[in-house]
Amino acid sequence: GQNIDQPTEMTATEGAIVQINCTYQTSGFNGLFWYQQHAGEAPTFLSYNVLDGLEEKGRFSSFLSRSKGYSYLLLKELQMKDSASYLCAVRDNYGGATNKLIFGTGTLLAVQP
Amino acid sequence: DAMVIQNPRYQVTQFGKPVTLSCSQTLNHNVMYWYQQKSSQAPKLLFHYYDKDFNNEADTPDNFQSRRPNTSFCFLDIRSPGLGDAAMYLCATSSLGAGETQYFGPGTRLLVL
Repeated sequence: GQNIDQPTEMTATEGAIVQINCTYQTSGFNGLFWYQQHAGEAPTFLSYNVLDGLEEKGRFSSFLSRSKGYSYLLLKELQMKDSASYLCAVRDNYGGATNKLIFGTGTLLAVQP
Repeated sequence: DAMVIQNPRYQVTQFGKPVTLSCSQTLNHNVMYWYQQKSSQAPKLLFHYYDKDFNNEADTPDNFQSRRPNTSFCFLDIRSPGLGDAAMYLCATSSLGAGETQYFGPGTRLLVL
C-alpha cells in the first residue's frame, strides 16, 4: 500500500528552528517533495530530494534517507508568515509516461510570537 | 509572469447542476493535473493529461470528467455535483524532465448548495 505519515500539528516560536518529519511506505520511489500551503491557497513548492542527504535552500533545508523511508523539513529563523501546512509528497513510479505524487495529509505549523 | 491560472476562484452551484472549472497555464508544460482537496486532507489526484493522453485514477467517480483542448487549457467538468463534492479543486502542471516539479494554481473552491 501507499502510506505517508507526518505529524498533524506542531507549534514553534518565532526565531526558533523546527523540524517536520515525514515517513513513507510506497510501492515505488522517484523523489520526495515538500510543499507549503497557507490556508485556502494552493501548495507552493519548497524542496525536492531524490538522493540521500541534505538539500539547503535559504532558511529551509530538507533531508532524505531512502533506506529508512524518512525525510524531514527544517525551518530556521522562524517567521510568523511560516505559519502554514507543510505537505510531504512522494513521487511514485507510476509506470506511465509521468509519475504521480502521493501526498501526506500535511503538518499544520503554528508560529507563536 | 509564467503561471498557472484557475477561474473562478470561488464557485457556487446547486445540487445536480453541472459545473465546469477551468485552468490555464503559460508554462508550456505538457502535463496537467486535477486534484481534489477537502478540508484538512491531502490533495487527491483525480486525473492528469500527458499532452492529449488522458489518465484517469481508478477511484475517480464517473461524475468527474476532463477536457484538454490545447496545451494551455484544461477543464474539469462535474456532471451532477453532490454535497460531497464541495472541496478545493487544484490544477497543477509539470514538464517531463529532471525533478518534474508540479506547480499549482490558486485553486477553485466549490460550494454545492
